[in-house]
Amino acid sequence: AAGVIQSPRHLIKEKRETATLKCYPIPRHDTVYWYQQGPGQDPQFLISFYEKMQSDKGSIPDRFSAQQFSDYHSELNMSSLELGDSALYFCASSTRGGRGDFYEQYFGPGTRLTVT
Amino acid sequence: AQSVSQHNHHVILSEAASLELGCNYSYGGTVNLFWYVQYPGQHLQLLLKYFSGDPLVKGIKGFEAEFIKSKFSFNLRKPSVQWSDTAEYFCAVYGQNFVFGPGTRLSVLP
Repeated sequence: AAGVIQSPRHLIKEKRETATLKCYPIPRHDTVYWYQQGPGQDPQFLISFYEKMQSDKGSIPDRFSAQQFSDYHSELNMSSLELGDSALYFCASSTRGGRGDFYEQYFGPGTRLTVT
Repeated sequence: AQSVSQHNHHVILSEAASLELGCNYSYGGTVNLFWYVQYPGQHLQLLLKYFSGDPLVKGIKGFEAEFIKSKFSFNLRKPSVQWSDTAEYFCAVYGQNFVFGPGTRLSVLP
């Protein structure tokens, strides 16, 4: 069965650079979630989109932005990268009826971002 | 603020031992509850979930969890663990927002 696809799988950037992470949800899933998991830490919810609109916002820094496109894929844009941004960034997708309903989420393999 | 706690940071068991991982949350309203597993080097996978109905839910790989509303708990259990269950286990709760617990690392000794 098709799963969530994330690209790239690994990314190395320098401080103050920008990075763009991409997420392709499972076909027919209309909701995308982004999480950040630091080394040895639990995943932290960043932001989610439902039908191309931002639906919930978590601990996403102002330096980060995200959007969902007409084909439901999503991109997380990260600017002015800091050393502390080094983490595994997960994307998940699900189907849900509307804002505030977190149905079963399927996670992608993650993008490991290293900021040097 | 909504929070999720997991009782143990690291649990070490021998194969065939029984497992119970504790999860408690703080939120007074309706919640959706989840347990995720992350095997070494892999991404999060859903073990089981509770939305409503029977508070005892069964998931994949022989895992089950019981929602006790009065105790704000959703403990994960497995009668007999295997070496392949070695992983990090995360409890997650959606109430006001979606929050993961800090995780419990399970090491199963062969």
